[in-house]
Amino acid sequence: GAGVSQTPSNKVTEKGKYVELRCDPISGHTALYWYRQSLGQGPEFLIYFQGTGAADDSGLPNDRFFAVRPEGSVSTLKIQRTERGDSAVYLCASRERASTDTQYFGPGTRLTVL
Amino acid sequence: AQSVTQLGSHVSVSEGALVLLRCNYSSSVPPYLFWYVQYPNQGLQLLLKYTTGATLVKGINGFEAEFKKSETSFHLTKPSAHMSDAAEYFCAVSGDFTGGGNKLTFGTGTQLKVEL
Repeated sequence: GAGVSQTPSNKVTEKGKYVELRCDPISGHTALYWYRQSLGQGPEFLIYFQGTGAADDSGLPNDRFFAVRPEGSVSTLKIQRTERGDSAVYLCASRERASTDTQYFGPGTRLTVL
Repeated sequence: AQSVTQLGSHVSVSEGALVLLRCNYSSSVPPYLFWYVQYPNQGLQLLLKYTTGATLVKGINGFEAEFKKSETSFHLTKPSAHMSDAAEYFCAVSGDFTGGGNKLTFGTGTQLKVEL
């Protein structure tokens, strides 16, 4: 079946601009995660949704970052007033339900802030 | 709190040689442990996982790993490297899933190079 998809695959923006990154999880998966992978590093947790609600947003670096999942499926990560340090690959993952253990990752969105 | 240490950011082996990628973890709760592989410009693919039960776990592409609680380790091995194994490998830890959530904490990755 279809895996996790993310759009766009690449996004180039200018410092100070607003960007939205989209994640389509595997159909029926209730849990959704966002991670950020900087160059040469492992992915770092940003936020976790169970259904429509953000159950854990402890990884969001500051209030410029926000994510939503209004219908419990597609999620959008929103970054306001982008900074050069926001440049990274943003990964989305989904998990079938709270009692399962495997997260399935999408290909990521490479964000470059000039 | 949880953390993962992967010793060796770059490992080079000859084709046909043993692959050993090291992972040590720290966790205040019983850990769930994962190895993911990342090919260039692709997402993370699960190789194998340890949750409970047998401490030696087998994964895809001939990889296996052994959970050693006393050593807080979860090293990844493969008896014979193949050129197609060249990729970046990430070890990750999380807590159990009964409470939901359970974000993954990743190591910094090991780039595996396979030479003829």
